[in-house]
Amino acid sequence: KAGVTQTPRYLIKTRGQQVTLSCSPISGHRSVSWYQQTPGQGLQFLFEYFSETQRNKGNFPGRFSGRQFSNSRSEMNVSTLELGDSALYLCASSLDLAGGLYNEQFFGPGTRLTVL
Amino acid sequence: AQKVTQAQTEISVVEKEDVTLDCVYETRDTTYYLFWYKQPPSGELVFLIRRNSFDEQNEISGRYSWNFQKSTSSFNFTITASQVVDSAVYFCALSGPRNQGGKLIFGQGTELSVKP
Repeated sequence: KAGVTQTPRYLIKTRGQQVTLSCSPISGHRSVSWYQQTPGQGLQFLFEYFSETQRNKGNFPGRFSGRQFSNSRSEMNVSTLELGDSALYLCASSLDLAGGLYNEQFFGPGTRLTVL
Repeated sequence: AQKVTQAQTEISVVEKEDVTLDCVYETRDTTYYLFWYKQPPSGELVFLIRRNSFDEQNEISGRYSWNFQKSTSSFNFTITASQVVDSAVYFCALSGPRNQGGKLIFGQGTELSVKP
C-alpha cells in the first residue's frame, strides 16, 4: 500500500506570493492533518480535515487555509507569504473508523518551503 | 492546556549503549493518547508506538521499550544496545479523546546521535 505522498517536495517562493501544497493520504484513510515544522517552534498543528470538513484548527493566522476533496486528498494554501513561513510542511493521514479506537497518524515526507 | 516536554535536546551515545529518552506530558483529559515518532534526516516522521491513557502496561518491541507512568505523567522511551541507524530526532506527542479529532501536540524533540 502506498504511503502518504506530498507534492511538491521542495518549493521556493518570494514574500507576498501564495503557495498551494498537496497531500494524498493512504488509500482508505479519511482524516488528513497538516503540521508546520520550524527549528524555532518545532512541530505545530495547522488543521485537520475529515470528510471534506475542517474538524480541528490550530493557532495560525487566516493566511493559512486548507481543504479536502471527496477522494480525501487535501491541499493547504498560504497566502501573502512571509519569511517566517519557511518551514517543512508535513501532512498526515489516519483511518479514523467510526467507533474505533484512536488511529495512528502516518506522515508524508513533507514539503520544504523556502520564502525569500 | 495540553503540553509535552522533552527536556533532553540532544543525546550522544556510543554504539551498544542503552539510552532513555524522557517525555513528560500535561493534560486535563481523562482519556488521551501518547505517541512516539522517529524523524530520520530524510524528514519523514515514522510512527513507533501509541499508548492509551487507560493502559499503563509497558511495552517492548525488539530493542525498543516504553515506560508509561500516569502517576508521574511520563512516557519514556528506551533503546537497548543502540545502533548507528537509531540516530534521528525522536518526538513524543499527545492527543486528546477521539471526539476532539486527530490533533497531535508534539514535544520539542530529542536528537539522538549514536556514534560507532
